[in-house]
Amino acid sequence: QVQLQESGPGLVKPSGTLSLTCAVSGASITSIDWWSWVRQPPGKGLEWIGEIFHTGKTNSNPSLKSRVTLSVDKSQNQFSLMLTSVTAADTAVYYCARGGHYTPVWDSWGQGTLVTVSS
Amino acid sequence: QSALTQPASVSGSPGQSITISCSGTSSDIGGYNYVSWYQQHPGKAPKLMIHTVSNRPSGVSYRFSGSKSGNTASLTISGLQAEDEADYYCSSYASSSAYVFGTGTKVTVL
Repeated sequence: QVQLQESGPGLVKPSGTLSLTCAVSGASITSIDWWSWVRQPPGKGLEWIGEIFHTGKTNSNPSLKSRVTLSVDKSQNQFSLMLTSVTAADTAVYYCARGGHYTPVWDSWGQGTLVTVSS
Repeated sequence: QSALTQPASVSGSPGQSITISCSGTSSDIGGYNYVSWYQQHPGKAPKLMIHTVSNRPSGVSYRFSGSKSGNTASLTISGLQAEDEADYYCSSYASSSAYVFGTGTKVTVL
């Protein structure tokens, strides 16, 4: 059974960079699956951030694309998210999930990690 | 891309059936048969309930069913149970390798 676990700083300063990692267990990051990030501001709905394949191919939400960098570390079986120039509007629970690539089917999710943007 | 439109809340009594609508455009729901539904309990990660419009993943109750007509998708929960009380989100492929979620619907079991 695949398990995903997000990790990273819970507090980021405005204009700084948010960096999160998702460790994958029970599955290989080099499988046929795509790996995604989704976020949810407190009390609000879900927003897709982006997805990555182990070859390094990525797709991102057009509204965030200029600030998002996705990467994969095959040796550690994990993938990462960087979001630059953050503001309070980027405060959210960030989830990593397995799935994507032309279909919004994310069948395994991490527990989520709250990232607060504040000075 | 704009969020898909869902009713803010839907309620029903135990045993009843309820339907949640998800309205989009020809650029998302209407253009592709790639609609999924997620259930989210408070403080928990979303759970996939329906994919590809009407397909249930293994382990999801038969009481959950999905459909689509034009630019609108629907999730029906039959035989409503207390454990179904949660937030529900639809999601669709929206061209250019992107996805969009719905605004979310809070289901209350009376």
